[in-house]
Amino acid sequence: DTEVTQTPKHLVMGMTNKKSLKCEQHMGHRAMYWYKQKAKKPPELMFVYSYEKLSINESVPSRFSPECPNSSLLNLHLHALQPEDSALYLCASSQYDSGLAKNIQYFGAGTRLSVL
Amino acid sequence: AQSVTQLDSHVSVSEGTPVLLRCNYSSSYSPSLFWYVQHPNKGLQLLLKYTSAATLVKGINGFEAEFKKSETSFHLTKPSAHMSDAAEYFCVVSDPLGNMLTFGGGTRLMVKP
Repeated sequence: DTEVTQTPKHLVMGMTNKKSLKCEQHMGHRAMYWYKQKAKKPPELMFVYSYEKLSINESVPSRFSPECPNSSLLNLHLHALQPEDSALYLCASSQYDSGLAKNIQYFGAGTRLSVL
Repeated sequence: AQSVTQLDSHVSVSEGTPVLLRCNYSSSYSPSLFWYVQHPNKGLQLLLKYTSAATLVKGINGFEAEFKKSETSFHLTKPSAHMSDAAEYFCVVSDPLGNMLTFGGGTRLMVKP
């Protein structure tokens, strides 16, 4: 089972709102990721958490604030977003593959965010 | 440094005919390569991964990819397309840890009845 669950599936918010995206996995994966995907483009990495600590921040604006409360849960807090932040936000978690000697990432279905 | 080029942004085939999606890569490391598929309004699903144990890699749903080091290619093939194969396909190269994925631009596969 390689299920990563994201909620909500869709979110509409105004530029002054505060909202949160949630990502959950119960596979024992110790690394979790946030990606942003604009229409007809590949995903872009935003953040990486490894063992519940932020290890990579790809110069993401501070209006996006990640949080990893425990090893199964990853949140993305949103505040004062702009219309250009409208996108599909994907969460992934990774499992160590001994054959490859590296992590393999498994993705959730995403949250489609519209900022009005 | 690493990069991925998917040579076709769109590929259209008839149902039952072969599929070929082309991917070239460059990597400073011994490459780890993947193909992911994304159906409309869905997340990414891992199709297959190159492990260096064999140059021909079998994935899910009848897809295969062949690693050719001399050509720096990792093309995806399927002998017979099905309507359900219509989707966006991403060729991906990973850093040594597997945390930083570099995506190609994607190839949209259309399957005609």
